[in-house]
Amino acid sequence: EVQLVQSGAEVRKPGESLKISCEGSGYTFASYWIAWVRQMPGMGLEWMGIIFPGDSDTRYSPSFQGQVNISADKSISTVFLQWNSLKASDTAMYYCARVIYHYTSSGYRFYFEYWGQGALVSVPS
Amino acid sequence: QSVLTQPPSLSAAPGQKVTISCSGSTSNIGSNYVSWYQQLPGTAPKVLIYDDNKRPSGIPDRFSGSKSGTSATLDIAGLQTGDEADYYCGTWDTDLNRGAVLGGGTKVTVL
Repeated sequence: EVQLVQSGAEVRKPGESLKISCEGSGYTFASYWIAWVRQMPGMGLEWMGIIFPGDSDTRYSPSFQGQVNISADKSISTVFLQWNSLKASDTAMYYCARVIYHYTSSGYRFYFEYWGQGALVSVPS
Repeated sequence: QSVLTQPPSLSAAPGQKVTISCSGSTSNIGSNYVSWYQQLPGTAPKVLIYDDNKRPSGIPDRFSGSKSGTSATLDIAGLQTGDEADYYCGTWDTDLNRGAVLGGGTKVTVL
């Protein structure tokens, strides 16, 4: 059974750093892209970026490029999302998801296949 | 402002059919596959439809997807109280290096 288990809720002050994690199991971790998705309170889903744990190839949404860092350690089947200096506006639920992503002659196949349970990050001002 | 446009809310009585639209452009829906997600209150999203119209195992056939040009549609037939949730469409966008794009979400209320 495919499972993505995320680290727990975090509370940090503005300006602090944070690294949250997403551990995969039940499949060949290095062979599937993993995405991070943000959901601010009462708002919709926003794609942040994806990483291929096999070679750490990473793509960022233009909205999040330079704002966060996505990394992976395939030896422990874990992907990370990191901030160097948190802002109050980073307060949100963050989901990781296993992604199907590849190009075909009929266009890109991209969808979030399995989701983690979410990790709430609070940065009270 | 989301790249994909969905109606913010829809409502219908139990047993009726709901149709959720998702409007995009040639760089996203018009040239790539569409997926749909259901997010029940307080839970993580779940994929309902992928590759425009395919259902993962375990998803009832009351949920169906279609696409025409730069728009996609999710139909929910025989609406049930348990279908009350937020629904999102998504796809890949090849314009401006956008990458994955998602609609703003549609809140479906069962009357």
